[in-house]
Amino acid sequence: NAGVTQTPKFQVLKTGQSMTLQCAQDMNHNSMYWYRQDPGMGLRLIYYSASEGTTDKGEVPNGYNVSRLNKREFSLRLESAAPSQTSVYFCASTPGTSPLHFGNGTRLTVT
Amino acid sequence: AQKVTQAQTEISVVEKEDVTLDCVYETRDTTYYLFWYKQPPSGELVFLIRRNSFDEQNEISGRYSWNFQKSTSSFNFTITASQVVDSAVYFCALSEGVGADSWGKLQFGAGTQVVVTP
Repeated sequence: NAGVTQTPKFQVLKTGQSMTLQCAQDMNHNSMYWYRQDPGMGLRLIYYSASEGTTDKGEVPNGYNVSRLNKREFSLRLESAAPSQTSVYFCASTPGTSPLHFGNGTRLTVT
Repeated sequence: AQKVTQAQTEISVVEKEDVTLDCVYETRDTTYYLFWYKQPPSGELVFLIRRNSFDEQNEISGRYSWNFQKSTSSFNFTITASQVVDSAVYFCALSEGVGADSWGKLQFGAGTQVVVTP
């Protein structure tokens, strides 16, 4: 099925460990986004990529890095995970003329 | 500072009752966009509507309706004759972006949990 695919679906990390969240879309969208969802706070934008080769910070970029590997893939890296990064992470994409297509989310727990 | 306020944390109704979700936003831009998204218990995010700041007409789509009032910076959402399938978290969001960013760079409210019981 066409859409946004996120891997993994679940992950548990220990404080200080690193990991990369993968996101791929097969809709030929230019723009891709990473959001995190926390209880009582809605979704907050971490980083986004308006087009292949460009990335920009969102509202809460600290502690994260991103890579727009090609038009399809946009990964989010946690270099040294902290308990405050326990969250549900959503990747999304848009062609720029219609709503965001969201992935199913990655539930990350940092202990 | 929170730019989108959804003051209602949770609303519980009995099936067939109407439910109105409040959304108050804050922006200094003259051009902006307002959204509503639904997140059912399965967790995916479902787009419901986008309105631009120049279009204050109310909109109706089936049992859903939206009331946009710039004078009070509000964009409220009403579900008429609620059904159990309407149980979800509903998010209001604001975009001050232009072009593609107007669809993707969103500032979300905290969400309102709607619980519809039979």
